[in-house]
Amino acid sequence: DAGVIQSPRHEVTEMGQEVTLRCKPISGHNSLFWYRQTMMRGLELLIYFNNNVPIDDSGMPEDRFSAKMPNASFSTLKIQPSEPRDSAVYFCASSFRPSASTDTQYFGPGTRLTVL
Amino acid sequence: DAKTTQPPSMDCAEGRAANLPCNHSTISGNEYVYWYRQIHSQGPQYIIHGLKNNETNEMASLIITEDRKSSTLILPHATLRDTAVYYCIVRASGSARQLTFGSGTQLTVLP
Repeated sequence: DAGVIQSPRHEVTEMGQEVTLRCKPISGHNSLFWYRQTMMRGLELLIYFNNNVPIDDSGMPEDRFSAKMPNASFSTLKIQPSEPRDSAVYFCASSFRPSASTDTQYFGPGTRLTVL
Repeated sequence: DAKTTQPPSMDCAEGRAANLPCNHSTISGNEYVYWYRQIHSQGPQYIIHGLKNNETNEMASLIITEDRKSSTLILPHATLRDTAVYYCIVRASGSARQLTFGSGTQLTVLP
């Protein structure tokens, strides 16, 4: 099992540029989560998908952020335009929910984003 | 989801058992207790979860008190690689919901 795959692992960009982060969930998982981690705010959920449909995007900080899940094996988080305050580690996680019961989320290694 | 309280830091000698406490006095009947850890610069890693019975897997044991208001994660033989921030999370079943991470406990395993 390859686990959750994220790319790139590190991204350095300049303010105003577009940034795209990518995630491949574990095969067979039907829920996908995007989290952001900073020293000030800790780990916080940005958005999650269930069966490729966005369920809750209330954590997306503003319109500059958008996320898509075109199919069960791929998701993107895009920031346009990027700002220095977006600098953080972005984690993708996936889980499998066969029924309305508990599920376990498995996290990827993260993408460390630095916006200069 | 119920709030959890954990000590900010703990030390443990290598080879000894590490016992990490968590208080969740407002937990409700359908809420599970999850434990994750985050080793520096890595993604959070699932350890174990339980509802009311004690649980054990290859990584750890989870002891939940009878009233479910607190729990203890036990790493039976801590190694230096177990140095990490450990998060206790209470989460309801019934929907695909986020994990709400608090501040956790920084466990340092000493040689």
